[in-house]
Amino acid sequence: DTAVSQTPKYLVTQMGNDKSIKCEQNLGHDTMYWYKQDSKKFLKIMFSYNNKELIINETVPNRFSPKSPDKAHLNLHINSLELGDSAVYFCASSQDVSGPYEQYFGPGTRLTVT
Amino acid sequence: DAKTTQPPSMDCAEGRAANLPCNHSTISGNEYVYWYRQIHSQGPQYIIHGLKNNETNEMASLIITEDRKSSTLILPHATLRDTAVYYCIVRVASWGGKLIFGQGTELSVKP
Repeated sequence: DTAVSQTPKYLVTQMGNDKSIKCEQNLGHDTMYWYKQDSKKFLKIMFSYNNKELIINETVPNRFSPKSPDKAHLNLHINSLELGDSAVYFCASSQDVSGPYEQYFGPGTRLTVT
Repeated sequence: DAKTTQPPSMDCAEGRAANLPCNHSTISGNEYVYWYRQIHSQGPQYIIHGLKNNETNEMASLIITEDRKSSTLILPHATLRDTAVYYCIVRVASWGGKLIFGQGTELSVKP
């Protein structure tokens, strides 16, 4: 069984559209994250949730809205997509937010905005 | 969170040990050293972490200097599948502690 899964794997859409990326972890972890990796390969944290509570919000535009319906899921909704949103988005999870716990990453969702 | 400095690229012969250095001269006493790697187009993969003592697991060994200002990740017998970008990250293991990825070291394992 995949520990951290994301859907879809690829997403191609036009500017101005609204899209969602889903993430699920079956590790029983309390903390989940969203990262963005741009075309220059820089990987940067966007959000962190612990027990469905927002912990980290890294100056991400308001068009990005994470939603955590339960501890095992963290979805990312993006409104009014822009060309600059094209990137690979990775979901991750860890046992807890406070502690030296490693993060497990999903396979990524490659978003292309045309 | 302290910053880290890594060489941009390294080569290693298959079957030999790969020693990847990392400088973290401004590390604080409560910051851990983590190593992750990213194989092309995949999600980052956790390798190992440590605070003060040297650590070893099934994937690698982590050697941290006594002053904690630098560390070395050792892959004892590198294979072609170890070709990846390796990231050294320091992080406070507390509420809000973030993994801040730098440019990493691109390791090429050659036959």
